[in-house]
Amino acid sequence: RKEVEQDPGPFNVPEGATVAFNCTYSNSASQSFFWYRQDCRKEPKLLMSVYSSGNEDGRFTAQLNRASQYISLLIRDSKLSDSATYLCVVIPSNTGKLIFGQGTTLQVKP
Amino acid sequence: ETGVTQTPRHLVMGMTNKKSLKCEQHLGHNAMYWYKQSAKKPLELMFVYSLEERVENNSVPSRFSPECPNSSHLFLHLHTLQPEDSALYLCASSRGDRTGYEQYFGPGTRLTVT
Repeated sequence: RKEVEQDPGPFNVPEGATVAFNCTYSNSASQSFFWYRQDCRKEPKLLMSVYSSGNEDGRFTAQLNRASQYISLLIRDSKLSDSATYLCVVIPSNTGKLIFGQGTTLQVKP
Repeated sequence: ETGVTQTPRHLVMGMTNKKSLKCEQHLGHNAMYWYKQSAKKPLELMFVYSLEERVENNSVPSRFSPECPNSSHLFLHLHTLQPEDSALYLCASSRGDRTGYEQYFGPGTRLTVT
């Protein structure tokens, strides 16, 4: 089983749609969770951290379910500029080692 | 701009060549990383340096040799590579190598081994 698994997509959605991505992780001792965004042929950039209580940043909502070992990212009112690959990142307990998922590709169409 | 620069941005090399990738961070961070990103695969951590000491070597073949002369610079020396080593090599830095610190990535070097 992969350490971090994501549906690679692509997800093709119209502008204004709501889209959700899930990510599962295998190490139950994982401590920190993030979503990174990677535009085509660019480097990954941190989108948001994922907290146990769930957190929201504008149109983006991240949630963590420790019991089921998955995290999710919800994007509301999709914009064309949201088109990118979204990388789920998990950090095992007490290390700085980032474990990346394969990424989920989102394409927002006009 | 992320404050992490990498050179060259593109590199084509033969299997018998020796080349080096360079990374420089202008963020005052103490930890630096090399990652490999191959098509259709997740980013793979290769090396971690914290305060210029290598703290992680993720089972990387010896044809990849990292060097960290100071906390701002990181090199990846390449020799006798294989075609399957063709990938995007990303450098990153963070305040420390412990959990919770955001990593800032450079733009990457796209390497093609012929």
